[in-house]
Amino acid sequence: EVQLVESGGGLVKPGRSLRLSCTASGFSFGDYAMNWFRQAPGKGPEWLSFIRSNGHGGTTEYAASVKGRFTISRDDSKNNVYLQMNSLKTEDTAVYYCARLIMVQGVFRTWFFDPWGQGTLVTVSS
Amino acid sequence: QSALTQPRSVSGSPGQSVTISCTGTSNDVGVYKYVSWYQQHPGKAPKLIIYDVTKRPSGVPGRFSGSKSGNTASLTISGLQAEDEAYYYCASYAGSYTSVFGGGTKLTVL
Repeated sequence: EVQLVESGGGLVKPGRSLRLSCTASGFSFGDYAMNWFRQAPGKGPEWLSFIRSNGHGGTTEYAASVKGRFTISRDDSKNNVYLQMNSLKTEDTAVYYCARLIMVQGVFRTWFFDPWGQGTLVTVSS
Repeated sequence: QSALTQPRSVSGSPGQSVTISCTGTSNDVGVYKYVSWYQQHPGKAPKLIIYDVTKRPSGVPGRFSGSKSGNTASLTISGLQAEDEAYYYCASYAGSYTSVFGGGTKLTVL
């Protein structure tokens, strides 16, 4: 079964740091790009960050809202993708999800996220 | 990027059809064929139901269909069932390996 499990969330004070982990199973993790999202209460998912497979250069991208504060990385030997979050703000409070990005189906290019993990709650509060 | 625009809520009776719109811009929905839709039940992770505007993953009922015209994509659910009550989100590729999502639509099955 293809599965993603996030961990590392919790309560943290403004200005502090937190590192989230996402562990993959059931597929060849190193072949896929991975993404992080967050979802604040009552809101839609917000795309945060992208990391391509190391075979395609490990390219990273970030949403403007987190660029310079958040860093995505991956460890293919552990089937993990990480999100290092620094200088946290109260508005970063949300459920954080990781998801696998599908960019190719057969010989055709595509772009969608499947599956998603169950999410981990990050609360930034003094 | 700005979020895609969806109606806050839609409703329908069992057996009826509903359509949820998703309006973007010429920088995302209007220019790319990579629009996807996700269903989310409360407390659960989003689940892919439509990708590449019109395609359904295996296991997703044929009652779910997608379309696009210009900067607006649409999700239609026909033959509504009670288990379809959920939040629905659209998403689009927005260039340079970035993505943008809609604010979500709550579907109520009356």
